[in-house]
Amino acid sequence: GAVVSQHPSWVICKSGTSVKIECRSLDFQATTMFWYRQFPKQSLMLMATSNEGSKATYEQGVEKDKFLINHASLTLSTLTVTSAHPEDSSFYICSATPRGRETQYFGPGTRLLVL
Amino acid sequence: GEDVEQSLFLSVREGDSSVINCTYTDSSSTYLYWYKQEPGAGLQLLTYIFSNMDMKQDQRLTVLLNKKDKHLSLRIADTQTGDSAIYFCAETSNTGNQFYFGTGTSLTVIP
Repeated sequence: GAVVSQHPSWVICKSGTSVKIECRSLDFQATTMFWYRQFPKQSLMLMATSNEGSKATYEQGVEKDKFLINHASLTLSTLTVTSAHPEDSSFYICSATPRGRETQYFGPGTRLLVL
Repeated sequence: GEDVEQSLFLSVREGDSSVINCTYTDSSSTYLYWYKQEPGAGLQLLTYIFSNMDMKQDQRLTVLLNKKDKHLSLRIADTQTGDSAIYFCAETSNTGNQFYFGTGTSLTVIP
């Protein structure tokens, strides 16, 4: 149990386009989902915390207008990278926390390459 | 994917040392990380160790790496109630393209 999926697993896009990444909890309801970004050979950096039915809380330095997060239901959160640029190329990973629990389960990540 | 395993729970008394263990299977692991998750919050990086190191110390934290046995541990000296949290270990391979996380160890510090 406690499986988190992400779609797509990798995406290549042109500069200026927008890309949507989905994060789904497959067998549990997630009251909270987290979005992380990994820079090459560095640790994960928390971007935002997403609670179902409310606005996401962004970490300092993360542009909320550029990284749009929508936690539409208890099993789905989406991250949209708007007007993507090459510097947005990165590995994006989400995690989800089941209702009533504190631990979090990680998705496999989405590799974004902006040309 | 690679397997990263941790025990689920650990309880210690305030002032004692805590040791959280982690085993992994990827022999090409390059970096190994320890993260802390406080209730309702995201992961916060505590420390990391490069695979060619055996030990790293940072104030109350000591990381030990046994590469032969693929065993990583985090020792917290003089554990405080504020250390109560879930601790995740993670490793990345040489390419750094994928993170593999353990299931987390819930540390409870008893006053």
